[in-house]
Amino acid sequence: AQSVTQLDSQVPVFEEAPVELRCNYSSSVSVYLFWYVQYPNQGLQLLLKYLSGSTLVESINGFEAEFNKSQTSFHLRKPSVHISDTAEYFCAVILLPLRAGGTSYGKLTFGQGTILTVHP
Amino acid sequence: DGGITQSPKYLFRKEGQNVTLSCEQNLNHDAMYWYRQDPGQGLRLIYYSQIVNDFQKGDIAEGYSVSREKKESFPLTVTSAQKNPTAFYLCASSITLGNEQFFGPGTRLTVL
Repeated sequence: AQSVTQLDSQVPVFEEAPVELRCNYSSSVSVYLFWYVQYPNQGLQLLLKYLSGSTLVESINGFEAEFNKSQTSFHLRKPSVHISDTAEYFCAVILLPLRAGGTSYGKLTFGQGTILTVHP
Repeated sequence: DGGITQSPKYLFRKEGQNVTLSCEQNLNHDAMYWYRQDPGQGLRLIYYSQIVNDFQKGDIAEGYSVSREKKESFPLTVTSAQKNPTAFYLCASSITLGNEQFFGPGTRLTVL
């Protein structure tokens, strides 16, 4: 079965500093990869995704993530954070191929989450 | 506006009572999901539905039940058999199973 590990449960950082939130997954097959963001007492919002093609994917608010197949990682980075980036971030994977009836068919597996706190 | 709605946002119940959480989507998505979120544990899948009138158990289905009588609706019942029901519950949907999932705002259930 696949698993997702977010190596840091909490990451404190000062405003305008760079940040990296780490995500590693275990899978012997290809995957789709996602980063979601959750603000307090709200649902999850998709930040960015890797399905195929370029291994570097970007979001509209300055975050980027790079798919590294050899290291089975999908770390999230931002060169300069803002106070408004304070939130919890979740990495998630879907196994490929999507075989109907398989136990992992279509299921999104989440990491434990990383709380990013940006201080002024 | 297209999206997913969950109601109510906060819900309080006495121990031993069944309670039903609502989830509605107007995105015309076939697949719908229920997750439970506890601090430090990420999201865990309770039930999912690939299409109307079909649903499957997720990783932690014990003590929960669902129905999928309409494409737009996927209500979750937390039964008295669920030993630790206090949690934040999130509903999601996707065009088909295995695609990007869109989440509702969540319902925080507290059992007293």
